[in-house]
Amino acid sequence: QVQLQESGPRLVKPSGTLFLTCSVSGDSISGVNWWSWVRQAPGKGLEWIGEISPTEVTKYNPSLESRVTISLDKSKNEFSLKVISVTAADTAIYYCARVLVDFKGFPNWGQGTLVTVS
Amino acid sequence: QTVVTQEPSLTVSPGGTVTLTCASSTGAVTDASYPHWFQRKPGHSPRALIYSTSNKHSWTPARFSGSLLGGKAALTLSPVQPEDEADYYCLLYFGSAWVFGGGTKLTVL
Repeated sequence: QVQLQESGPRLVKPSGTLFLTCSVSGDSISGVNWWSWVRQAPGKGLEWIGEISPTEVTKYNPSLESRVTISLDKSKNEFSLKVISVTAADTAIYYCARVLVDFKGFPNWGQGTLVTVS
Repeated sequence: QTVVTQEPSLTVSPGGTVTLTCASSTGAVTDASYPHWFQRKPGHSPRALIYSTSNKHSWTPARFSGSLLGGKAALTLSPVQPEDEADYYCLLYFGSAWVFGGGTKLTVL
């Protein structure tokens, strides 16, 4: 059973850096699947932030690409999200998700963590 | 910037049939967009329902089905159950990035 759990500071100051980690159990981030971050701002819809492959190839939302970095920590079986120069518009619930290879879905999600920029 | 458009809201009676659609600003949605569908209820993480147009996950109820319809991706629910009341999001692939639709709020009454 694959499980994902987000962790990190819940409050970040404007112009600061948001950093979240997703701990994965039940699958290896060094395997074949990709790993993704998605967010939902209050009252808004879901927004794809980006994803990373086991070989550390990354893809990002063009609207966020200049401020976002996704990376792997294979020794801990974790992947992380860094967003720089945050503003109130980055206040959101952040989710990590597992992306199956060959476009076979996003079957597993973390519970989500609310990050407030204030 | 690519925009994915869904109906903002739909209402359906229990036992009825409803089709939600997902359109792309770049043109017709095809299998090459690998349409995905998710259900989102308050206080819960998104739940994957459909991947790559019409494929169901092992937990996806049989009353949910995905297809392509008139140049859009479509999610059909039939017969609708009261517990299907939720927000539904489509997700399309554009070569190097995924884009979510704005979501459809489905009301069952």
